[in-house]
Amino acid sequence: SQQGEEDPQALSIQEGENATMNCSYKTSINNLQWYRQNSGRGLVHLILIRSNEREKHSGRLRVTLDTSKKSSSLLITASRAADTASYFCATARGGGSEKLVFGKGMKLTVNP
Amino acid sequence: EAGVAQSPRYKIIEKRQSVAFWCNPISGHATLYWYQQILGQGPKLLIQFQNNGVVDDSQLPKDRFSAERLKGVDSTLKIQPAKLEDSAVYLCASANLNRGPYNEQFFGPGTRLTVL
Repeated sequence: SQQGEEDPQALSIQEGENATMNCSYKTSINNLQWYRQNSGRGLVHLILIRSNEREKHSGRLRVTLDTSKKSSSLLITASRAADTASYFCATARGGGSEKLVFGKGMKLTVNP
Repeated sequence: EAGVAQSPRYKIIEKRQSVAFWCNPISGHATLYWYQQILGQGPKLLIQFQNNGVVDDSQLPKDRFSAERLKGVDSTLKIQPAKLEDSAVYLCASANLNRGPYNEQFFGPGTRLTVL
């Protein structure tokens, strides 16, 4: 079953704009990860945030986690055409299981 | 370092036929995963190996799917017999959980299966 649910399901922006994607999940987690999937390519890990963290940065990426609301957001600043891809949040519940449960994904289109 | 390798990249078969997929994880990664990704959805875990032992196969349709990782390195996933609803991309991933639990997974390019 899918745990995370990304919102919006699709987003189209212009190059240079910021893109924000949200993820909501249902159960308690150990960490939440964001992945990107380009057309025809496999999944690439972007960033991991642990349940005791509230915010994390990596380059143009900023992720926040609110465990009380069971939600996370991924912000991509100064977007580029190469950021066009599908983005997935995935949760790890912990408790001895490293199993990742992915959301349905969100399609981001960055227009040049 | 070399990434996760998968073959074949594409496979077209008719329903009720058999098919096998191969995965070679990143060297030194003891943990290997097989996922099924149906078009428009996120990946769904089918099976997780730690070395050559199965950690989680709760979502593997065991009446038709099987997987093995005999020497703790390469792995094969088999479907026999295939159904139309098995059409999907099959992704293999590996992780080095010796660095600590809950680390990132590295994915291969996937095998796109079409069942006619």
